Amino acid sequence: EAQVTQNPRYLITVTGKKLTVTCSQNMNHEYMSWYRQDPGLGLRQIYYSMNVEVTDKGDVPEGYKVSRKEKRNFPLILESPSPNQTSLYFCASSSRLSSSTLYEQYFGPGTRLTVT
Amino acid sequence: LAKTTQPISMDSYEGQEVNITCSHNNIATNDYITWYQQFPSQGPRFIIQGYKTKVTNEVASLFIPADRKSSTLSLPRVSLSDTAVYYCLVGETGGFKTIFGAGTRLFVKA
Repeated sequence: EAQVTQNPRYLITVTGKKLTVTCSQNMNHEYMSWYRQDPGLGLRQIYYSMNVEVTDKGDVPEGYKVSRKEKRNFPLILESPSPNQTSLYFCASSSRLSSSTLYEQYFGPGTRLTVT
Repeated sequence: LAKTTQPISMDSYEGQEVNITCSHNNIATNDYITWYQQFPSQGPRFIIQGYKTKVTNEVASLFIPADRKSSTLSLPRVSLSDTAVYYCLVGETGGFKTIFGAGTRLFVKA
């Protein structure tokens, strides 16, 4: 089954304790992205990656790191989490529509992170 | 990326057609219009995408006037399960920066 998986789905941690949220896709997509969703703010893009070893900042990259060493994986790293990073996080990957240069994003199930 | 404006919320009844309009006055020549649907605690799901005139798939229709400064997502005969947030995006989504905005919360009543 074609899908984007994220782990863990739920995480409660303390301020300053480094953590990694993994994201993996099995669709051979070149594009992957991370978003956070907060009440009243919608989805905001954190980082995206056009291909292996190619990453760029989205709208809210502060406090986050990413890496893209393999095509299927795009982990999100919080080196020193803070309470303002408590949020619902989504990973997405993108396919090329059959007859155009446009991209449709497929989203993972989300990771709910709480930083105390 | 062009800024989009959508109604915050809409109500409808089962069986009705629902039209959600999105304004994007600063749309660029190369921009496409994409709509996503999101249920609570789930990731958004692609619904439809278009550039001009009308696009239809098994889920919805997308109407885009000639000036492309707005677009309308049309959901035929909605059901309770169509209650969700609907996002309009303008730009080359998926390949570059993506801005979702606040979306339109649709409530479908029995």
